[in-house]
Amino acid sequence: GQQLNQSPQSMFIQEGEDVSMNCTSSSIFNTWLWYKQDPGEGPVLLIALYKAGELTSNGRLTAQFGITRKDSFLNISASIPSDVGIYFCAGNNNAGNMLTFGGGTRLMVKP
Amino acid sequence: DGGITQSPKYLFRKEGQNVTLSCEQNLNHDAMYWYRQDPGQGLRLIYYSQIVNDFQKGDIAEGYSVSREKKESFPLTVTSAQKNPTAFYLCASSFSHSGTGGYEQYFGPGTRLTVT
Repeated sequence: GQQLNQSPQSMFIQEGEDVSMNCTSSSIFNTWLWYKQDPGEGPVLLIALYKAGELTSNGRLTAQFGITRKDSFLNISASIPSDVGIYFCAGNNNAGNMLTFGGGTRLMVKP
Repeated sequence: DGGITQSPKYLFRKEGQNVTLSCEQNLNHDAMYWYRQDPGQGLRLIYYSQIVNDFQKGDIAEGYSVSREKKESFPLTVTSAQKNPTAFYLCASSFSHSGTGGYEQYFGPGTRLTVT
């Protein structure tokens, strides 16, 4: 099946630092979604992207839909301890409603 | 207050017993999904349903069964045939795709199943 390669797998950063993570695919996607999962909870949708080149912000979070339609990026500015969690990318490529998920990026923030 | 509920949060069973996990949504979504998550892993699709009385197998359906008798409900049964049932189970729902957009899936809080 299709795969989304998400990197890095984990990050350990200092509070206040900016964070970047990305997701790449060998095939084209027409939708990119970014989720955050807190420990023991379900993923929460952060940002949805629908057009190539689209740049969307949600507070300190900014995500971009790559112009090749094969990648997406999520940036977090001025990280705080509550940013800790696992961030998942997900994409749809017209396979009905199905989403393909990346393996996740585990973010740890040192106060 | 719209959302997806899963119950219970924690479930313990003895090996060889079937167990049913509940998932209810009041978002008026047509489609519902079940995922399995193992420690440190991503999400794997078990079953999905696009419409009432219809469902399809996902990537890891063996040892699981579902029903979709009502739009709001999509229970998952973990049968004794599932060789490694201990995991975190997540239910999600979405609108059916129409035109652009509409692919967002919204997740419940999850059920952690432990089988000993």
